[in-house]
Amino acid sequence: DGGITQSPKYLFRKEGQNVTLSCEQNLNHDAMYWYRQDPGQGLRLIYYSQIVNDFQKGDIAEGYSVSREKKESFPLTVTSAQKNPTAFYLCASTNRGNTIYFGEGSWLTVV
Amino acid sequence: GNSVTQMEGPVTLSEEAFLTINCTYTATGYPSLFWYVQYPGEGLQLLLKATKADDKGSNKGFEATYRKETTSFHLEKGSVQVSDSAVYFCALSLQGNNRKLIWGLGTSLAVNP
Repeated sequence: DGGITQSPKYLFRKEGQNVTLSCEQNLNHDAMYWYRQDPGQGLRLIYYSQIVNDFQKGDIAEGYSVSREKKESFPLTVTSAQKNPTAFYLCASTNRGNTIYFGEGSWLTVV
Repeated sequence: GNSVTQMEGPVTLSEEAFLTINCTYTATGYPSLFWYVQYPGEGLQLLLKATKADDKGSNKGFEATYRKETTSFHLEKGSVQVSDSAVYFCALSLQGNNRKLIWGLGTSLAVNP
């Protein structure tokens, strides 16, 4: 079945460490997104990409980086510059019909 | 600017009660409107959508009608179940945009048996 796979589901980061969250989709979607969700809060857009080798900052890009070397993959790196990274991270993709499809999410905790 | 406003939660109902979650929007042009549902610890799933005025989206007993005159897209269900307990997000997408969605803050629903 087609879908979006995020890994790992749970990740722990030490202070000063960079970590990378994986997002892979086999839906043949052009556009991919990373959102951050804090407990009891809505979604905030970190980065998005509409095509391979191109991406744009969202509303809260500071302390994060992404790459889009393949259509299927859009990994997110949470750098040490992100001072409050503990959150639930959601990857998504969309076809031309504007409906967004989400992965199951990844929980990142700073220890 | 473009925005989505949802009623604040949490909403707590008894099983078989009627549900309404209000959503209003501000947008230039002619947006598509969506309701997404998020079950605990999971990603978001599309619940229903409507792409033009007076369209009614429906799925799993939930309905929402695109009301251009009141700029609203209220979510309704006639008889909720415990399994409907989740967070519900209203969102809009503008035609010809870069395919970002504008999100509401979400409304938490708890259904008690």
